[in-house]
Amino acid sequence: EAQVTQNPRYLITVTGKKLTVTCSQNMNHEYMSWYRQDPGLGLRQIYYSMNVEVTDKGDVPEGYKVSRKEKRNFPLILESPSPNQTSLYFCASTLAWTASSYNSPLHFGNGTRLTVT
Amino acid sequence: LAKTTQPISMDSYEGQEVNITCSHNNIATNDYITWYQQFPSQGPRFIIQGYKTKVTNEVASLFIPADRKSSTLSLPRVSLSDTAVYYCLVGDPAYSGAGSYQLTFGKGTKLSVIP
Repeated sequence: EAQVTQNPRYLITVTGKKLTVTCSQNMNHEYMSWYRQDPGLGLRQIYYSMNVEVTDKGDVPEGYKVSRKEKRNFPLILESPSPNQTSLYFCASTLAWTASSYNSPLHFGNGTRLTVT
Repeated sequence: LAKTTQPISMDSYEGQEVNITCSHNNIATNDYITWYQQFPSQGPRFIIQGYKTKVTNEVASLFIPADRKSSTLSLPRVSLSDTAVYYCLVGDPAYSGAGSYQLTFGKGTKLSVIP
């Protein structure tokens, strides 16, 4: 089954304790992205990756790191989590294509609810 | 990158047709318009996508006027299970302008279907 898998689904941690949220897709997608969702703010993009070893900042990258060493995996790293990073996180992926051709929608994971105390 | 504006919330009775409009005044030539549905504690899921005129699938229709500065998602005869947040996304991941490949969502429209 084609899917985006995030782990863990729920995570409670303390301020300053490094953590990693994993994301894996089995659709051979080139584009992968992380979003955070907070009440009243919608979905905000943290980082995205166009392909292996190619990553760039989204709208809210501060306090986060990512890596793309393999096409299928795109982990989100919080080196020193703070309470303002308490949020619902989503990983998403899609095919990359040329500007004027076929378009492919984003496929989302089921989310990771992170609480930082 | 085209910004989008949607109503924050809408209410509808079961069985009615619901139209949600998204404004995207600075849409680029290469941008597609995509709508997603999100239930609580789940990831958004694709509903429909279009470039111009009208697109229809088994769950919705998408109306896009000639100037493409807005789009309207139409849900026929809604049921309680259509209660969700609906997002309009405008962009092209291959190129979003100024060297950016961002895909930015708006704040979405919370649709509440009333029995």
